[in-house]
Amino acid sequence: DAGITQSPRHKVTETGTPVTLRCHQTENHRYMYWYRQDPGHGLRLIHYSYGVKDTDKGEVSDGYSVSRSKTEDFLLTLESATSSQTSVYFCAISGTGLAGGDTQYFGPGTRLTVL
Amino acid sequence: DQQVKQNSPSLSVQEGRISILNCDYTNSMFDYFLWYKKYPAEGPTFLISISSIKDKNEDGRFTVFLNKSAKHLSLHIVPSQPGDSAVYFCAASGGTYKYIFGTGTRLKVLA
Repeated sequence: DAGITQSPRHKVTETGTPVTLRCHQTENHRYMYWYRQDPGHGLRLIHYSYGVKDTDKGEVSDGYSVSRSKTEDFLLTLESATSSQTSVYFCAISGTGLAGGDTQYFGPGTRLTVL
Repeated sequence: DQQVKQNSPSLSVQEGRISILNCDYTNSMFDYFLWYKKYPAEGPTFLISISSIKDKNEDGRFTVFLNKSAKHLSLHIVPSQPGDSAVYFCAASGGTYKYIFGTGTRLKVLA
């Protein structure tokens, strides 16, 4: 199994509060991703990173920001949590990030509930 | 606009029989496809992949077929086992390091 951990694994918070989720990898992979999983929507990309300090938006990035100051850590921040951000969040990593041979490996997930 | 579609939300199969999970895509630029398996409360785990230069890839009980003209791929599991019960996601990528996932199919293998 790829060395990916996520913290916290579960969190309950209130609307309007800031929340930061952490993804940590020990694989020295260049690419890191944040997804959310919701019923009927599958896995949707929020943000991704292609190197330290290099990030870009995915398909559902509104209300989220990310930071990557070290190769091994990728942080996802909800500046002001809303109930629509209640979801399960997955971090993923890949090596080359190139289509045609690369595979993404996923962390165990963080279940976030916004009341 | 759902570029990767899994039109069957669920599928039930008897143990020992074949499970066939389907996935359709709309973007002709996609050239690499993956299948993931997901158990409850766990992250998705990589199962098998296929490049667009091939039309079949096999790994033990799992075979993925790709029909580029129809923009369709399928995952065959033979024989199906109760431990295969999970949600299966297909994903596609095309020349970038981003992957588009389908909505998933829940497979239930009946003992």
